[in-house]
Amino acid sequence: DTEVTQTPKHLVMGMTNKKSLKCEQHMGHRAMYWYKQKAKKPPELMFVYSYEKLSINESVPSRFSPECPNSSLLNLHLHALQPEDSALYLCASSQSYGLAGNYNEQFFGPGTRLTVL
Amino acid sequence: GQQLNQSPQSMFIQEGEDVSMNCTSSSIFNTWLWYKQEPGEGPVLLIALYKAGELTSNGRLTAQFGITRKDSFLNISASIPSDVGIYFCAGLRSGAGSYQLTFGKGTKLSVIP
Repeated sequence: DTEVTQTPKHLVMGMTNKKSLKCEQHMGHRAMYWYKQKAKKPPELMFVYSYEKLSINESVPSRFSPECPNSSLLNLHLHALQPEDSALYLCASSQSYGLAGNYNEQFFGPGTRLTVL
Repeated sequence: GQQLNQSPQSMFIQEGEDVSMNCTSSSIFNTWLWYKQEPGEGPVLLIALYKAGELTSNGRLTAQFGITRKDSFLNISASIPSDVGIYFCAGLRSGAGSYQLTFGKGTKLSVIP
């Protein structure tokens, strides 16, 4: 299984809603990532989890709250978002984070298209 | 932060033509990656390059890891309409407790049937 899955595919929410994005991989990868991508731009890193612990938070506002329940799952909890948070949210995974060697490339999920009204 | 210069920004080509795009950096990477992204989808890994000078093919795609470790190119031969999308290069530096993946700004490819 070389796939990263994400649900939902599309999400529309109001600024007072609470919702969650989910990501799953069964490749035995120990590093998982959340990215935000605006149209025609490369992905921007938000969070990195390594061995289920938060390793990197790229100064993301607290209205985005990541969670890694186990090595295969990654969630992103959303609360009180703004319209400018509308974007494609991508999850990715890699074998490891910070270890030397090859075959450490990231594999991406299909993304969740989020629209905040 | 790290910067990758990816060119061209966009290309309009006739079906059947060959395509070439490249990425350059002022910094060394130990892995170069090429991704393709179609509208509304996540980036799909096309080719991974691990050694300076390495030339790797995946069907009609060929990519090379520059000998200086600061650049890479991707060629697509005999383009077809389904090659349409945005192609991103990415340089990866990992090891000694750090991991940094830097993306280029993308090359948008349009294929005219």
